[in-house]
Order: sequence, then structure tokens, then C-alpha cells
Amino acid sequence: AQSVTQLGSHVSVSEGALVLLRCNYSSSVPPYLFWYVQYPNQGLQLLLKYTSAATLVKGINGFEAEFKKSETSFHLTKPSAHMSDAAEYFCAVLIYNQGGKLIFGQGTELSVKP
Amino acid sequence: GAGVSQSPRYKVTKRGQDVALRCDPISGHVSLYWYRQALGQGPEFLTYFNYEAQQDKSGLPNDRFSAERPEGSISTLTIQRTEQRDSAMYRCASSLGGGGVSYNEQFFGPGTRLTVL
Repeated sequence: AQSVTQLGSHVSVSEGALVLLRCNYSSSVPPYLFWYVQYPNQGLQLLLKYTSAATLVKGINGFEAEFKKSETSFHLTKPSAHMSDAAEYFCAVLIYNQGGKLIFGQGTELSVKP
Repeated sequence: GAGVSQSPRYKVTKRGQDVALRCDPISGHVSLYWYRQALGQGPEFLTYFNYEAQQDKSGLPNDRFSAERPEGSISTLTIQRTEQRDSAMYRCASSLGGGGVSYNEQFFGPGTRLTVL
């Protein structure tokens, strides 16, 4: 069965510092992986997706993630945090042979200190 | 509208009452999904439709929960005899459907926050 684990429910960084949000997955088939961001009172917005092409995926707002099969990881990074990056981030795996439903991790809340 | 819309945005109800949550997907999207998100947790799959057909309802927690999409567009999630444990954010998403991951990208609505007193 597919599953996703996000390490760290809260991450705090200083403005300008590196952002690293961790995601590990479990899948018996080649996974499709996603990162979503949730701002307060808004819906989930897709940041980036891995679809078995390039292992380094670039997304919106300067975020990127690297798929590492050997480590079953899909960590999200951004070289320099902005105050506007403060939000909750969710990693998800697509259950492709079950209609495309998503299995989400528990989320990581990112705080950015000035 | 351009995105997925949900109504109401907030719903407060008393234990034992029935509630109906509405989702209006992006025009032309074949697939529609319902998720429930408890506070501090990620969204959890409830059910999904292709057109008007309910393809998977394995995530519905019990028979008090039901969903329909009679004309293949707007969907309603109904919770009968609500309980306090039903309090959560209920999110709807739609996708183009079909084959390939690009067609399975899901676009989420803002959610309905349900509070059962």
C-alpha cells in the first residue's frame, strides 16, 4: 500500500535561510508524487509534481524537489526563504490504479522569522 | 468561475442535524473527489466520481455519509445525524480525468469548515 510520511510537523527558518521539508514515501509501484501548499483560508495549491521524468523537479515560487528512489524520498527545498512562504505544506502520492486519489502526509507548517 | 467552488464556506450545526455540502468543479472536469481534513492532519480521501458515477466510496467513514453527482457536474456530500467527531474541513477537488498524470492533477476548492456542536 502507498503511504507518505512527513518528518517534522513544524519547521521554523529565518528569512533568507534554506528551506528543507522532508517527505518519504512507500509505494510498490513507481510513484507519482506531489507537493501542495495551503495558505490560511485558501484551498490547496500545487507546488510541483514528479511524474517519472526528471528526478529534480522545479515548481512555483522557487521551490524544487528531488526524487531519490534509493532513499524513497521527495524532499522539498528552497534556497532562500521569504516571509510569504509561511504556510502549511503537504506531500502526497497518487494512487494511479485507483482512480487517481491522493494519499497525503500529515503536513508540515513552515514559519519564517524576520 | 475559474476554480473549484464550495458552499457554504462555514457551517455550524447541532449534533443530530443533517448537513449538505456542495462542490462546483471546474467546467469540463470529469473527475471529482471529496476529502476530509481534521485539524493538524493532511486531507483524507472520502470518495470520487467520474462523470455521475461514484467510482470509489471506500473512504466514507460510515453509512451516515453519502455523496452524489447526478448530472456529472455539481456534487453534494451529505452527512446525516451529525456527530461532534464529524467536525473537520471538507475539501473538494476536480481533475480533467483520463489517462496520464497530467490529467489526474487535482485542483482543490477552498473547503467547507464544518463544526458540530
